[in-house]
Amino acid sequence: EAQVTQNPRYLITVTGKKLTVTCSQNMNHEYMSWYRQDPGLGLRQIYYSMNVEVTDKGDVPEGYKVSRKEKRNFPLILESPSPNQTSLYFCASSFSPSGYGYTFGSGTRLTVV
Amino acid sequence: QKEVEQDPGPLSVPEGAIVSLNCTYSNSAFQYFMWYRQYSRKGPELLMYTYSSGNKEDGRFTAQVDKSSKYISLFIRDSQPSDSATYLCAQRGNTPLVFGKGTRLSVIA
Repeated sequence: EAQVTQNPRYLITVTGKKLTVTCSQNMNHEYMSWYRQDPGLGLRQIYYSMNVEVTDKGDVPEGYKVSRKEKRNFPLILESPSPNQTSLYFCASSFSPSGYGYTFGSGTRLTVV
Repeated sequence: QKEVEQDPGPLSVPEGAIVSLNCTYSNSAFQYFMWYRQYSRKGPELLMYTYSSGNKEDGRFTAQVDKSSKYISLFIRDSQPSDSATYLCAQRGNTPLVFGKGTRLSVIA
């Protein structure tokens, strides 16, 4: 089954404790992206990657890091999480950034206390 | 400017009603539009896409683009409780998709 897999689905952590949210896709997509979704603010892009070793900032990159060492994986790293990073996070992939459809993961609900 | 504006709702309708969901866009350079549906605790999934002006139908769903007013609409006929979700419009261009903030729809049985 073609899918984007995110882990974990739910995570509660404390301020300052580094964490990684993993994202993997099995569709050989070149384009991958991370979004956060907050009430009233919609989907906001954090980082995206056009291909292996190519990443770029989205609209809200502060406090986040990403890497793209393999085509299928695009982990999101929070080096020092803060409460304002409490959010619902989605990974998405597509053949191209302007493609007809993005495939989204099921989301990671992150709470930073 | 790359905004897509969408009324967040929430919108509550009785089962069987015709639902109209709307977005406005500001960038006329790109004419591909998409509608995504997002169920609670799930990621968005592509529902329909359409190009330029006119209508596109898929079962009970119709997507419409009005270039003159920069308006895109999604109509749902004979709405069902299973249609209860958040609907996001998106505009395709040369850059990553631009999403509206989503309209939350509840269809009451």
